[in-house]
Amino acid sequence: NAGVMQNPRHLVRRRGQEARLRCSPMKGHSHVYWYRQLPEEGLKFMVYLQKENIIDESGMPKERFSAEFPKEGPSILRIQQVVRGDSAAYFCASSPRAGLGEKLFFGSGTQLSVL
Amino acid sequence: EDQVTQSPEALRLQEGESSSLNCSYTVSGLRGLFWYRQDPGKGPEFLFTLYSAGEEKEKERLKATLTKKESFLHITAPKPEDSATYLCAVSGSGGGADGLTFGKGTHLIIQP
Repeated sequence: NAGVMQNPRHLVRRRGQEARLRCSPMKGHSHVYWYRQLPEEGLKFMVYLQKENIIDESGMPKERFSAEFPKEGPSILRIQQVVRGDSAAYFCASSPRAGLGEKLFFGSGTQLSVL
Repeated sequence: EDQVTQSPEALRLQEGESSSLNCSYTVSGLRGLFWYRQDPGKGPEFLFTLYSAGEEKEKERLKATLTKKESFLHITAPKPEDSATYLCAVSGSGGGADGLTFGKGTHLIIQP
């Protein structure tokens, strides 16, 4: 049973370009979370999605960032017009059930570097 | 707003030297306190969930305990392979974000 798969592992973009990060949850998991980790900072919650629905996006910047989890295919975190401050490691996590006490299974992350 | 503070930021131990990592938290309606291990270049790996004060869980050389204000991760006779960053996180029911609130972690180095 494969774990949470994220790709690409490393992504380099120039300022103003778009970044698209993909996450395939564990088999049987329909709940996906995105987190951002800046150097010397803790993991920060961004968005929580279920299939075709955004449940909580309170941690996501209001502009340039969007997320989706379509009926078919992986969850996508999209960052438009990237800036240097977007450089970070982005982690996806999944869980099989809803519930704030559920443990999350994390992918290995995408390291985004903005030049 | 939920908050998690971990101490120390970094800890260097000799192999076999036992110690404890601290996680202090404030949360409205604790649903769970989580410990994760993170190796360089990888995502966090789940270790434990604690749900109520007084609860304890063990796994190999690790033991996690919980009070109403803090959690401890005790590591007994550690080995070099226990070197990693240990993350503490909480999930609360206070109407905030659905995700976990993480501390900055304790970077643990075990020297042979």
